[in-house]
Amino acid sequence: SQTIHQWPATLVQPVGSPLSLECTVEGTSNPNLYWYRQAAGRGLQLLFYSVGIGQISSEVPQNLSASRPQDRQFILSSKKLLLSDSGFYLCALRQGENSPLHFGNGTRLTVT
Amino acid sequence: AQSVSQHNHHVILSEAASLELGCNYSYGGTVNLFWYVQYPGQHLQLLLKYFSGDPLVKGIKGFEAEFIKSKFSFNLRKPSVQWSDTAEYFCAAKGGGGNKLTFGTGTQLKVEL
Repeated sequence: SQTIHQWPATLVQPVGSPLSLECTVEGTSNPNLYWYRQAAGRGLQLLFYSVGIGQISSEVPQNLSASRPQDRQFILSSKKLLLSDSGFYLCALRQGENSPLHFGNGTRLTVT
Repeated sequence: AQSVSQHNHHVILSEAASLELGCNYSYGGTVNLFWYVQYPGQHLQLLLKYFSGDPLVKGIKGFEAEFIKSKFSFNLRKPSVQWSDTAEYFCAAKGGGGNKLTFGTGTQLKVEL
């Protein structure tokens, strides 16, 4: 079965520091991978998605970036965090056209 | 632009009451629709989905949703809620053949004993 690993579960970082959140998946090959951010009262905002290695589509102009160095690895990064980057970051995968998203457990990021 | 709207942000019900959560979408062409649920302290999980066929979709835990194309709606229903249904519910939509799943802002449901 498909499994999504996200780490760390929680992270506290100062403003201006770099960020790297990693998502790896198991039990699937060539999935579509997604990064969402969940904020209270704002639902889930799609940040990036990837349909294959090295292919990244950006949905929001932020100081965030994403990379997919391997088929089952999706990384969310920032060179300098802002206070507004605080939130709950979710990695998700979709395997196949007519299939729903499956979500990881998420990373709670607090920028201080 | 593609969007999903959930108009009820907070809903409080007593056990055994009936539930209907509204969801409207703005998509042209074929659309795939979903309801996700997030129980306290847990990750998001799929409640039900609609791709084609019967517009009345049955999901887990007694939930159902009806796709009404003319109203661009996909409302979630349950005849009799339980305390354990307390959670946040998200409606989502994707254009047929597309890769992007757009979510609504969510509805917090609290069921009181």
